[in-house]
Amino acid sequence: DIQMTQSPSSLSASVGDRVTITCRASQGIRNDLGWYQQKPGEAPKRLIFAASSLQSGVPSRFSGSGSGTEFTLTISSLQPEDFATYYCLQHHSYLTFGGGTKVELK
Amino acid sequence: QVQLQESGPGLVKPSQTLSLTCTVSGGSMTSDNFYWTWIRQRPGKGLEYIGYRFNSGDTYSNPSLKSRLEISIDTSKNQFFLNLNSVTAADTAIYYCARGGPCGRDCYPLDFWGQGILVTVSS
Repeated sequence: DIQMTQSPSSLSASVGDRVTITCRASQGIRNDLGWYQQKPGEAPKRLIFAASSLQSGVPSRFSGSGSGTEFTLTISSLQPEDFATYYCLQHHSYLTFGGGTKVELK
Repeated sequence: QVQLQESGPGLVKPSQTLSLTCTVSGGSMTSDNFYWTWIRQRPGKGLEYIGYRFNSGDTYSNPSLKSRLEISIDTSKNQFFLNLNSVTAADTAIYYCARGGPCGRDCYPLDFWGQGILVTVSS
């Protein structure tokens, strides 16, 4: 089974900060990775697919990069509505979620 | 716009079977390009993949749940189903249904999700 190690598990940041979240796959998964945002009481929402493609309607401050085993989600300038938990999901071999990153207000 | 909605009992007794339905609207389930997925989230925890099924019948399950799990589809009703038997308190979670794909040369991850349903396992 493919394991996804996501880091950090939580971070504190201020509005306007640049935020970077990383997922590492236990084996190569090409670019078969998505990033999701989940707010309390809501279902996850897809932000990025194919590692770097922005979902329609998602602000351009969100970006994804990486291929193989190392992937990054970047929020270029954190906005108040971005405080949430973020998950990566590999779909190269079955499905595996990363452990999540909670982005909190500093 | 595709929408998914989970339904089923919110309380299940230990050792019994948890049965949920996901109703899909705004799109057909007859295409084999999509996979129909169940995910859960234990209280205060992260997301856990349960399993998914293509319309063709190909089904894939989390190894930790495989022996207790059944996922089925009824395209005539635009619904798919989760049955998880021999439940314990550890199965208490919010259960989500979601659509994955489309799958062709490449496959895409989950796009549309239901709002989730809390299922508590307790006597």
